Amino acid sequence: KQEVTQIPAALSVPEGENLVLNCSFTDSAIYNLQWFRQDPGKGLTSLLLIQSSQREQTSGRLNASLDKSSGRSTLYIAASQPGDSATYLCAVSSYGGSQGNLIFGKGTKLSVKP
Amino acid sequence: GAVVSQHPSRVICKSGTSVKIECRSLDFQATTMFWYRQFPKQSLMLMATSNEGSKATYEQGVEKDKFLINHASLTLSTLTVTSAHPEDSSFYICSASTYQGTNSPLHFGNGTRLTVT
Repeated sequence: KQEVTQIPAALSVPEGENLVLNCSFTDSAIYNLQWFRQDPGKGLTSLLLIQSSQREQTSGRLNASLDKSSGRSTLYIAASQPGDSATYLCAVSSYGGSQGNLIFGKGTKLSVKP
Repeated sequence: GAVVSQHPSRVICKSGTSVKIECRSLDFQATTMFWYRQFPKQSLMLMATSNEGSKATYEQGVEKDKFLINHASLTLSTLTVTSAHPEDSSFYICSASTYQGTNSPLHFGNGTRLTVT
């Protein structure tokens, strides 16, 4: 059974710092891995999707890496801003699952202090 | 583009009543929508897959008679929590994709916070 773990559960940093969020998964048989952002009381915004054949994806100040063999992914946020404060979720789409059957981690709650 | 609208955003109801939650794809057609719930401090979990014009597919442990799903059109799916109880209090969220395929991104609604008193 696929399990997704995110560390740390919460993180507080001063504005301008570069930071790394970690995600690990137990079964490497995945189609893809996605990083989402969730603001309080809001839905999810997809940030990056990495297909199983890819090693990284970049969007603006965000860079996500994927090491499928070791079951790890990282989300790197450069030059953090207060507007980056949110909960970041990692989710994998596993073999045998449907398109919507994403296995989510519990998230990392990020707070960027001005 | 690819906006998913979900209503209501918050609902409080009394135990024993039913609550309907709507999920609409505003600018695209979605043959398939997905319903999730998230209990406090827990991960989002898939409840069911809603298929336009056919019966929904429920995940193990989700009561299909309690969580009624209707996907009558290509842009609307509804989730009805019947005879709600306090343990059904949760954050419910839907998602849809512009096309099918395991590598297509999912677009999520803003979720519905259900509180059953």
